[in-house]
Amino acid sequence: DQQVKQNSPSLSVQEGRISILNCDYTNSMFDYFLWYKKYPAEGPTFLISISSIKDKNEDGRFTVFLNKSAKHLSLHIVPSQPGDSAVYFCAASRYNFNKFYFGSGTKLNVKP
Amino acid sequence: ETGVTQTPRHLVMGMTNKKSLKCEQHLGHNAMYWYKQSAKKPLELMFVYNFKEQTENNSVPSRFSPECPNSSHLFLHLHTLQPEDSALYLCASSQGSSSGNTIYFGEGSWLTVV
Repeated sequence: DQQVKQNSPSLSVQEGRISILNCDYTNSMFDYFLWYKKYPAEGPTFLISISSIKDKNEDGRFTVFLNKSAKHLSLHIVPSQPGDSAVYFCAASRYNFNKFYFGSGTKLNVKP
Repeated sequence: ETGVTQTPRHLVMGMTNKKSLKCEQHLGHNAMYWYKQSAKKPLELMFVYNFKEQTENNSVPSRFSPECPNSSHLFLHLHTLQPEDSALYLCASSQGSSSGNTIYFGEGSWLTVV
């Protein structure tokens, strides 16, 4: 049973526009959420995170939004750049648990 | 220098071979992980070690045998694998049990079983 889901396997966006990647979770006990970026043949790279006490966290072109009532988070990338083309994973964890639950990933293609 | 280093990056082994994957973290973390990524599948957690003690074994077949001699090193010993075990094996580390815990990954070891 997958507790973190990314329902869009792929997304294509024009350079300079906004990319919005979505993620849903089922476990209301999750209190920390993360986004990772992965290029082919490399390990995932940490991008940005958000605690459940916040509803927004921003880092440069990347912003993560958390809607706890909907059990939904999203990653906004603006403006999108061709170098952002990669697979993006969301992940969730619980306080005091060394366990991270990952979504299946969304492949983002930013077209020049 | 990357925080989590994995060797080898690529490994081809026969089904009767014995090989090992190695992971070292330079982040001062207390928890280490093995994940498996197969094509078109989510990241699958295999094992978790916290302060050298195994705290999670996600029903992994015994042909995969982890070893954690200290908080900085993690091994995955491989024996009599099957072709379906071919995948990217990712090592990761995190600070340990706490809220706001971020997990950092190595580059991965590509395993092909022939």
